[in-house]
Amino acid sequence: ETGVTQTPRHLVMGMTNKKSLKCEQHLGHNAMYWYKQSAKKPLELMFVYSLEERVENNSVPSRFSPECPNSSHLFLHLHTLQPEDSALYLCASSQDSAGLNTGELFFGEGSRLTVL
Amino acid sequence: ILNVEQSPQSLHVQEGDSTNFTCSFPSSNFYALHWYRWETAKSPEALFVMTLNGDEKKKGRISATLNTKEGYSYLYIKGSQPEDSATYLCACDMEYGNKLVFGAGTILRVKS
Repeated sequence: ETGVTQTPRHLVMGMTNKKSLKCEQHLGHNAMYWYKQSAKKPLELMFVYSLEERVENNSVPSRFSPECPNSSHLFLHLHTLQPEDSALYLCASSQDSAGLNTGELFFGEGSRLTVL
Repeated sequence: ILNVEQSPQSLHVQEGDSTNFTCSFPSSNFYALHWYRWETAKSPEALFVMTLNGDEKKKGRISATLNTKEGYSYLYIKGSQPEDSATYLCACDMEYGNKLVFGAGTILRVKS
């Protein structure tokens, strides 16, 4: 139990569906992240939120839309995805305070997405 | 483009063997180097975060070193056990803000 919970753990969707991935952290952290892991590739950073503001959008297509309503919750809204978007989506959190923390990431167990 | 390289890609050892992996990264604008362990069906778990050249950190049988001038870090496991089987990830942060760039990982399998 890392204190970061992701739901659903598995999701199958068609290319015309709209779905959302949810992440919740119980660690009191102020930064949250979405990472993507495709087969045979390293973890890729998608989005970073610090103090509920998006500070990084790593050239992610607009069919992925993040939302961070408060410091404990992060969503990834999915719309008209492609089969190549099938991957493991990992959420993480950290405490972002200059000079006062190691900055290590605490990850959820991931949401395995399959796009048909 | 920041490239973080890990070697070897995979490693199979016998229980009791000691092993080590390498992580290479660009040495300019370095901020921090992270190591994570990722067991199958679980979440990645932080092992070490290192920031200073010459840093050495240890947790039980696992230790890590950092050379920021030449751009590499080593992870050592002494007396490998089957429960050490996992993918070991390193990640480099080139600017403060946790914009970590991950390597592809080293898969370790320890046979009993």
